[in-house]
Amino acid sequence: TQLLEQSPQFLSIQEGENLTVYCNSSSVFSSLQWYRQEPGEGPVLLVTVVTGGEVKKLKRLTFQFGDARKDSSLHITAAQPGDTGLYLCAGRGSGNTPLVFGKGTRLSVIA
Amino acid sequence: NAGVMQNPRHLVRRRGQEARLRCSPMKGHSHVYWYRQLPEEGLKFMVYLQKENIIDESGMPKERFSAEFPKEGPSILRIQQVVRGDSAAYFCASSPISVNNEQFFGPGTRLTVL
Repeated sequence: TQLLEQSPQFLSIQEGENLTVYCNSSSVFSSLQWYRQEPGEGPVLLVTVVTGGEVKKLKRLTFQFGDARKDSSLHITAAQPGDTGLYLCAGRGSGNTPLVFGKGTRLSVIA
Repeated sequence: NAGVMQNPRHLVRRRGQEARLRCSPMKGHSHVYWYRQLPEEGLKFMVYLQKENIIDESGMPKERFSAEFPKEGPSILRIQQVVRGDSAAYFCASSPISVNNEQFFGPGTRLTVL
């Protein structure tokens, strides 16, 4: 069974600070996705990474896929209150296997 | 271009009743996935369907739960004889035919069993 461990589980920071959250596994994934979920809503897809070592930027968010495609990180620069939410990573194995989700990092950015 | 639609958004049932959750995928998407989320938990895969076919139901409980995606109309997740432990948020996602399996989620149905 493929598992994704996300850390930290909870993170509370001041506006303007930088942060990194992690998504780790002992399994190799063919692709990995990051989602953000707000209370009472469904997850919203932020990015998909496919190639080992790949780095993608989305404004102040930087996503990296590990060289071995077993782990990923999300770095947020100059966090803002609007970044508050639950950040979920989800990996897809080989073939047509279902997405496996981590439990998420709950981020709170305080003004 | 409407996103994934789910209804109802909130559903309250008494123990022993049936719950029917509906999902309309994004236009042009032929793959539907159902997930369950408990408080402070990630999403747990339940079932993957294409039109008129169940592709993977490895995450579905063996009893009381069923899913369908007919040729016409929305996908339905059906829970018979609900119990309190079925209380959760149920999310549907859809994807086009895609190697990367990017999935787009609906707003969810929050089921409460009294």
